[in-house]
Amino acid sequence: DTAVSQTPKYLVTQMGNDKSIKCEQNLGHDTMYWYKQDSKKFLKIMFSYNNKELIINETVPNRFSPKSPDKAHLNLHINSLELGDSAVYFCASSHDGLGGGELFFGEGSRLTVL
Amino acid sequence: GENVEQHPSTLSVQEGDSAVIKCTYSDSASNYFPWYKQELGKGPQLIIDIRSNVGEKKDQRIAVTLNKTAKHFSLHITETQPEDSAVYFCAASRKGGGNKLTFGTGTQLKVEL
Repeated sequence: DTAVSQTPKYLVTQMGNDKSIKCEQNLGHDTMYWYKQDSKKFLKIMFSYNNKELIINETVPNRFSPKSPDKAHLNLHINSLELGDSAVYFCASSHDGLGGGELFFGEGSRLTVL
Repeated sequence: GENVEQHPSTLSVQEGDSAVIKCTYSDSASNYFPWYKQELGKGPQLIIDIRSNVGEKKDQRIAVTLNKTAKHFSLHITETQPEDSAVYFCAASRKGGGNKLTFGTGTQLKVEL
């Protein structure tokens, strides 16, 4: 039973399109995150939500809009996709949103923008 | 903001040897230092962590040391096995920072037979 699941696993699309990635966690955690991993494997936080409230927004272009319908779900919608958006996007969750807690990552969604 | 540097970027060892990965951080308020292992095609997974009130922590073949004065921490893997081959990330965060982890740039560890 997957703890943090994200769909789709692979996404290939054209520049200018809009796409969404969905994430669900069944761990009962209050905090969820989106991380971006670029081609050099660098992992950088994009957003975090605690109980549906936005906590961290790391100067991500406003083409990226996270949505948390409930604390078990955090979706990522990307408008007007650009080549530089190609990356692996990881969803994660943690019990503790204050600091110092283990993050549980999904398996990633590889986005390729052509 | 926090900046975490990690070395080396690649590390190749013979099976049974030890491997050491080193990280430095910039924010003196950081107090939580986890290490994540990422296998090919998978998400990162926590393998060990240390908090700022502890200088060393060990879990079987894995140990982490922290030097707060120098702002650096290290991962030590002893008796390496082929299944240890992966990318390892150090990270740092501080309490009240919304559990915002700043990751190092990763180390590709290859354990050769």
